[in-house]
Amino acid sequence: QKEVEQDPGPLSVPEGAIVSLNCTYSNSAFQYFMWYRQYSRKGPELLMYTYSSGNKEDGRFTAQVDKSSKYISLFIRDSQPSDSATYLCAMSRLTGGFKTIFGAGTRLFVKA
Amino acid sequence: DGGITQSPKYLFRKEGQNVTLSCEQNLNHDAMYWYRQDPGQGLRLIYYSQIVNDFQKGDIAEGYSVSREKKESFPLTVTSAQKNPTAFYLCASSINRNTEAFFGQGTRLTVV
Repeated sequence: QKEVEQDPGPLSVPEGAIVSLNCTYSNSAFQYFMWYRQYSRKGPELLMYTYSSGNKEDGRFTAQVDKSSKYISLFIRDSQPSDSATYLCAMSRLTGGFKTIFGAGTRLFVKA
Repeated sequence: DGGITQSPKYLFRKEGQNVTLSCEQNLNHDAMYWYRQDPGQGLRLIYYSQIVNDFQKGDIAEGYSVSREKKESFPLTVTSAQKNPTAFYLCASSINRNTEAFFGQGTRLTVV
């Protein structure tokens, strides 16, 4: 079993839709959660990060963490064609040695 | 502007040759990382460094080497021992281990 599971998609939605992207993880040592957006042939760009369970909002983006279920989500409201990209979840532990794991990414297409 | 600069953007190598990928950051970050990204796979850690003159192997270090002589620089050498070097290589840095990482724009290496 992979430590982080992320549906690769592709996910295709019409412009203006609410998008839900998800990752599950198996290691309860992960305490720090991140979402990255990656356009084709570019490096990943950090969108959001959070330590705690619950919701964190930034503009059209909301990151949600449920540590009891080992489940994290990224919601995109009023999706735009410019949101078309691959979205990577990532998670780290805060103690012990270095360990950051990335999901394989979900490819999102927003149709105008 | 603060950021991470990778060069070159595209690199072609003949089989049997070593090649070095450059990574420079001016964010004053202590930690730096090299990842490899293949289609349909998550980012895989090659090497990381938490401080100058110190670095650690990641999950797929075989056939690669690094140095960290300066805080700002973390070059990656892909040696002829790397059996399948064609990939997209990403350099990243963070304030310290396990916090959010910032990525460069990547180098696409092709073996011809």
